[in-house]
Amino acid sequence: AQSVTQPDIHITVSEGASLELRCNYSYGATPYLFWYVQSPGQGLQLLLKYFSGDTLVQGIKGFEAEFKRSQSSFNLRKPSVHWSDAAEYFCAVGARGQNFVFGPGTRLSVLP
Amino acid sequence: GAGVSQSPSNKVTEKGKDVELRCDPISGHTALYWYRQSLGQGLEFLIYFQGNSAPDKSGLPSDRFSAERTGGSVSTLTIQRTQQEDSAVYLCASSVRVGGDEAFFGQGTRLTVV
Repeated sequence: AQSVTQPDIHITVSEGASLELRCNYSYGATPYLFWYVQSPGQGLQLLLKYFSGDTLVQGIKGFEAEFKRSQSSFNLRKPSVHWSDAAEYFCAVGARGQNFVFGPGTRLSVLP
Repeated sequence: GAGVSQSPSNKVTEKGKDVELRCDPISGHTALYWYRQSLGQGLEFLIYFQGNSAPDKSGLPSDRFSAERTGGSVSTLTIQRTQQEDSAVYLCASSVRVGGDEAFFGQGTRLTVV
């Protein structure tokens, strides 16, 4: 069965520190991979996506993610976190003709 | 329109009443999805529509929930005989094709059943 895990329910980092949010998936084929961010009271906004090609993808707001097929992972990173990055982050997988599968989310808190 | 539009943004209803939630997807998007998000929880898939194909209703939690999509555009999610456990944010999303393209989300409808 297709599944997405985000091992960290809640992460707290200090402003200016680096960030890595983990995402692992189980999928029958090479999936399309996405990271979304949800600020309080808002819908989900796409940060970045991977379909094929370069396994390191750049997104908005200074985020990047790396697809590692051997580890079935698609971890999200940011070198220096800003207070405005505090939000809920969702990893998702999809494939053409297949519904999206979302992970449970990781809540990021940022300390001043 | 420019993005996915959902209405109303907030809905308070009495237990046992029926409610209708509306989603207006991005023009040209053939796939439309409904999700439910309870307080502090992740996304619970409810249903998706892809073009003229039969919808995937596998996520609907009970027969009190139904959805339709008229003319391949606007969708309505109906909850009959609402219960307090139905209180949640209902999110709608659309994409060019199911699964193969990014999904664009609306702002959601916050449903409160009192």
